[in-house]
Formats: sequence, structure tokens, C-alpha cells
Amino acid sequence: QVQLEQSGAEVKKPGASVKVSCKASGYIFTSYYIHWVRQAPGQGLEWMGIINPSGGSQTYTQKLQGRVTMTRDTSTSTVYVELTSLRSEDTAVYYCARQPGVVAAPLDYWGQGTLVTVSS
Amino acid sequence: SYVLIQPPSMSVAPGKTARITCGGNNIGSKTVHWYQQKPGQAPVLVIYYDSDRPSGIPERFSGSNSGNTATLTISRVEAGDEADYYCQVWDSSSDQRVFGGGTKLTVL
Repeated sequence: QVQLEQSGAEVKKPGASVKVSCKASGYIFTSYYIHWVRQAPGQGLEWMGIINPSGGSQTYTQKLQGRVTMTRDTSTSTVYVELTSLRSEDTAVYYCARQPGVVAAPLDYWGQGTLVTVSS
Repeated sequence: SYVLIQPPSMSVAPGKTARITCGGNNIGSKTVHWYQQKPGQAPVLVIYYDSDRPSGIPERFSGSNSGNTATLTISRVEAGDEADYYCQVWDSSSDQRVFGGGTKLTVL
């Protein structure tokens, strides 16, 4: 069965960086895009960006340009998101989600979420 | 950037019909997906490509999209439908995915 297993919760200080992982299983890793979506406490869903595990190309939300990097390791079927220069507003649950490799397709499977807390 | 507008909340009695709207400029020309999120859980896809249902989603869930409004309709609402619902589109002009602000559905 399709699974997206995310790494555990993180606590970081302002100005630090965080790297969250998402390990995929149960399907052909390179045939589906991976998105990252975050949700601040009590707030809605915010799209962060997308990576194509096949070629590694990425597209990021303009809001996070320059602070976010998405990478993948095809040998372990794992995708990573790294966020630098953390600030309190980055405190959120971070989700990875899969999209079939078709234009405008939905996010059909989601990881369980990773809580990142930014606090001094 | 493209903006999707949802009512922050709505309430409905059990057995009635809930219609959750998602407004956007000419949204009828885009493909809309809907997600359900219960407290402490990851979102779940409930409607895709405007009106298709994933396997396992009850037939009570349906969707439509025309003009400037997309609608998620939940018929014969049950207590278990109480959740936050989000619409989502792909804005091709900017190659960005966009979520609506979410609607909290309360079952009275």
C-alpha cells in the first residue's frame, strides 16, 4: 500500500535550519511528484512547493523563495525539504503529499505530518 | 497571485445537505480538488477533477464547478462529516498550487 513516512518532530531556534524527510513506499517513486504543504497552528493549508523525483526539478512558492530547498534521493525513495533562517512564523506541521504525474492532478496520498517548532 | 475564497464556517443539521463554496476568478476554467481534514489528522482527498470521487469516499460527497464558484456538496450529513474542508487548484499562469482558506463544517 502507498505510504509516505515522515521524520519526527523538531524544535529549532530562530535563525537555524531544519530538514524534514518523507520516505515513500508502495509505488514507483519516480512516477509521482511530491509536494510539501504546511499548516501553522489553527490555520489553513499553505502550499510550499513541488519536486519531481524523476529529474529533481523543483518549483517553490514565491513566499519562501531563497529559504526553501527540496531534494530527493532515488536510492532510498526519500524526499527532503530544508527551510533556512527559521522564524517563529515557520512553526507549523509540515506535510508531504503525492501527486500523480499528470498536469493539475490532485494530492492523493499524504504523510502523517511533522511538527516543527521554532522557539528561542 | 490567484486567490480562492471559502466561508470560514458553516453548520448543518444531521440528515441535511451542506454546500461548501470556493470562489475564484473564472474558477470554472480550472480543475478543483477538495480535501477533508479532521482534527489532528492529515488531509484526505474527497473530490478530484471537480466532481470525481476517490474509492472509499461515500456517494454523499459530490462536486461541481462553473463560472466563479466551485461547490462541494455533502448530502445526508452525518456527525462523522464534521471537519475542515479545503479547495485547491493549480494556477497554470504562475505554476503554483493554491488552497482556499478552509471551511469548518459543524454538524449540529
